[in-house]
Amino acid sequence: DTEVTQTPKHLVMGMTNKKSLKCEQHMGHRAMYWYKQKAKKPPELMFVYSYEKLSINESVPSRFSPECPNSSLLNLHLHALQPEDSALYLCASSQTGQAVNTIYFGEGSWLTVV
Amino acid sequence: AQSVSQHNHHVILSEAASLELGCNYSYGGTVNLFWYVQYPGQHLQLLLKYFSGDPLVKGIKGFEAEFIKSKFSFNLRKPSVQWSDTAEYFCAVNALGGGTSYGKLTFGQGTILTVHP
Repeated sequence: DTEVTQTPKHLVMGMTNKKSLKCEQHMGHRAMYWYKQKAKKPPELMFVYSYEKLSINESVPSRFSPECPNSSLLNLHLHALQPEDSALYLCASSQTGQAVNTIYFGEGSWLTVV
Repeated sequence: AQSVSQHNHHVILSEAASLELGCNYSYGGTVNLFWYVQYPGQHLQLLLKYFSGDPLVKGIKGFEAEFIKSKFSFNLRKPSVQWSDTAEYFCAVNALGGGTSYGKLTFGQGTILTVHP
């Protein structure tokens, strides 16, 4: 079983809604990630947090707002999304954001924007 | 920027057949290499990884992969597939070239493997 836990597993939201995706890991990892996976496509990196600080933002629109309250938690706040933002959002973690680390993925949150 | 190419989009095999899935990457520097598997309706799971050392790495469920640096390849193999291997397989590369590249996995497009009993 994955040790990266994501909630909710499924979310349907309107374009004017504000919602959040949550991710938690208890492996003592200090790097956490958000990836987006569209249907029949590979995952694409959105954000990287290293030691609770945002280290990579892959030019993600501001309607996606990440937050890392502590080393175990990672949130993705969603506001004013578009239907094309519907996708599987994957949280992941690794020991650090440095080299030679395996990245472990959660089961993902399926987001549908209507 | 690095890119990853998986040659086959969909592979169909019968049980007990041998499997080889191709993966090539474009990056001239040091890389960490991974194969992930995604079973239908499930999350990405790590099959195997290469960081350094012996270029032939063994993973879970009888899978292995060989890193050939001169060919920029990291092909996945299994001598005898089972019906339960039906899944999508992703090759991924972490290019090590500076602080901002750490933690960034670039995935190939994925190969869907269907194994008929």
